This record gives sequence, C-alpha cells and structure tokens, in this order.
Amino acid sequence: QSLLTQSSSASGTPGQRVTISCSGSNSNIASNSVNWYRQFPGTAPRLLIYSNNRRPSGVPDRFSGSKSGTSASLAVSGLQSEDEADYYCAAWDDSLNGLVFGGGTKLTVL
Amino acid sequence: QVQLQESGPGLLKPSETLSLTCTVSGGSIKSYYWTWIRQPPGKGLEWIGYIYHTGSSKYNPSLESRVTISVDTSRNHFSLRLNSVTAADTAVYFCAREVASIGSRHFDSWGQGVLVTVSS
Repeated sequence: QSLLTQSSSASGTPGQRVTISCSGSNSNIASNSVNWYRQFPGTAPRLLIYSNNRRPSGVPDRFSGSKSGTSASLAVSGLQSEDEADYYCAAWDDSLNGLVFGGGTKLTVL
Repeated sequence: QVQLQESGPGLLKPSETLSLTCTVSGGSIKSYYWTWIRQPPGKGLEWIGYIYHTGSSKYNPSLESRVTISVDTSRNHFSLRLNSVTAADTAVYFCAREVASIGSRHFDSWGQGVLVTVSS
C-alpha cells in the first residue's frame, strides 16, 4: 500500500463542496510540498494543485489545496458534473528517497 | 507549449526488456527533470524515476535493480529500459516533465501514455 493514504471514493451533489484528504507522515507530507493531479478515464493525469495550494494557470479557483502537519486536502467547491474523475496526491518521501502517490480518490457527482 | 510522446513495443513476453522512448517537442529537454510513471490497469500511479538533462538520475527503490533511464539531448528525447519484465509490469507508461525548485517539484506536462502488456 502507498505511503500516502486517500479514501477510495468521495461524492457530492452539484453545487456542493467536497474535500478529498491525503494522509502521510513526517517523511513526506510534513517535510515536502504536496501536489494534486486529476485524471479522467483513459487519459493522462493533469496537474491540478502544486506546492500545497498553488493553481496552475487555467485551473478554476473552485479547486483549492491545503496542508497541515502530515495531512493534505483538496477542496472542490461548486461541484460540477465534469469534476467526476480520479484525484491523486503526491509528495516526495525523504525516507524512501523517491516520489510517492496516494492511491487515488474517485470523485462521483450524484 | 511542450508536448511529450511515448513510443515503443506494446507487447512483451516475460523475461524480455521493456524499452520506451519519450520524444519532447515544442521545447528543449535541457533545464528540466524528465520522469517515467506507470499505472497498472485499474490501479493507481507509480513513480519509476527521473533523469536530468545532465544525465543525473534517480529511481524508485522497488524498481532500481531493473531500471535504466537515459537522455539524448541531441535528439530531444529520453528513454526507459526495464529488464526481466513479468506480468506485474503490465501498465500504461507515462512520461512527464518535472519542474523542480526549492521545496517544490511537480509534473506540469505529460505524454498521453502507452500500454505495455507482458504476456506469454
């Protein structure tokens, strides 16, 4: 299992705010920045949040990231049907001396 | 805008060597880290390793004994070799560009991915 733990699924109705969590340890999240990637079925992942809470150009401000201690979160507000996708957190792990991904969270819009 | 494209055989037999190339267009391969990531069918992402344009590299410890990543700056591409493959290496393989700075590193550009199946 991954060093970064994500719940396997999350859901919400259109317009709601949903939070996806990523739990790690002192050797990864607490020590290094966290990035979030979104992946639609059959396509490559795309950067959604980097450096814990920064959005690349083109990513709507409905998406926000935060980090506290050994955990990080991705919040999606004003949920839309097109937000249905898999979301992955990632961070460098100093003990492993490598990059680790969370197991991914499948977001469903009900 | 930089674009990445993976290429290589899609079907291998157990014990063979996986060889993939990622061609970078629309930008120079210099000044960035270049990474391979894979995703088994229906599963999550796994970091394989990266290489810098100078040739400096780092690999996932779980794959390190079988992996080599190389770079050819004259051709603007980088490559992955994975020895002694088994069915567990069946996955979609992505190449990506990594932006690294103090306290931050992330993948800002990805290839579309190529499915590699290992089967006898």
